[in-house]
Amino acid sequence: TQLLEQSPQFLSIQEGENLTVYCNSSSVFSSLQWYRQEPGEGPVLLVTVVTGGEVKKLKRLTFQFGDARKDSSLHITAAQPGDTGLYLCAGRYSSASKIIFGSGTRLSIRP
Amino acid sequence: DVKVTQSSRYLVKRTGEKVFLECVQDMDHENMFWYRQDPGLGLRLIYFSYDVKMKEKGDIPEGYSVSREKKERFSLILESASTNQTSMYLCASTPGRSGNTIYFGEGSWLTVV
Repeated sequence: TQLLEQSPQFLSIQEGENLTVYCNSSSVFSSLQWYRQEPGEGPVLLVTVVTGGEVKKLKRLTFQFGDARKDSSLHITAAQPGDTGLYLCAGRYSSASKIIFGSGTRLSIRP
Repeated sequence: DVKVTQSSRYLVKRTGEKVFLECVQDMDHENMFWYRQDPGLGLRLIYFSYDVKMKEKGDIPEGYSVSREKKERFSLILESASTNQTSMYLCASTPGRSGNTIYFGEGSWLTVV
């Protein structure tokens, strides 16, 4: 089984703090995506990264793809209660259409 | 707007029953997927299909089968439901090229009693 490990699994922090979520694998991905999922709904795409070393910003969220395209991070600056949710990374292999997901990070932001 | 529609939102089935979960996408996507999502385990790939009548096993195919007779429809079948198949099932689709967005359905909550 190919693995995509996400850490931490749970994170509860105070509003205004910064946090980083990590997504790691021993495999090389052609692209990696981050999703956010609300309870009772399917995941919704936040960003796609395809180039090693790529950095993308989405307001207070910064996404980075590792140079070797095996890992990625999501950094949130000045977290807000609206950031609460399940964050999932998903990697796609170049040799196939297969896409695998990390185990997810459940983020809770306390007011 | 892109749309992935799962036929049933909530189902309760008895152990041993045959269960069909249907998924339809209206975006002419080549690839379709079935995942199950369980607390602490994230989304685990059951089966995927990259073309009509083509299918490949994911990481946890045991106890499941799939059917893709038409491009827009991908069905997940539980031949004989068991209690450990109680879960949330998510269907997804994406175009053939890497880096494209994965579009998810709203999920089907299956309880096997």
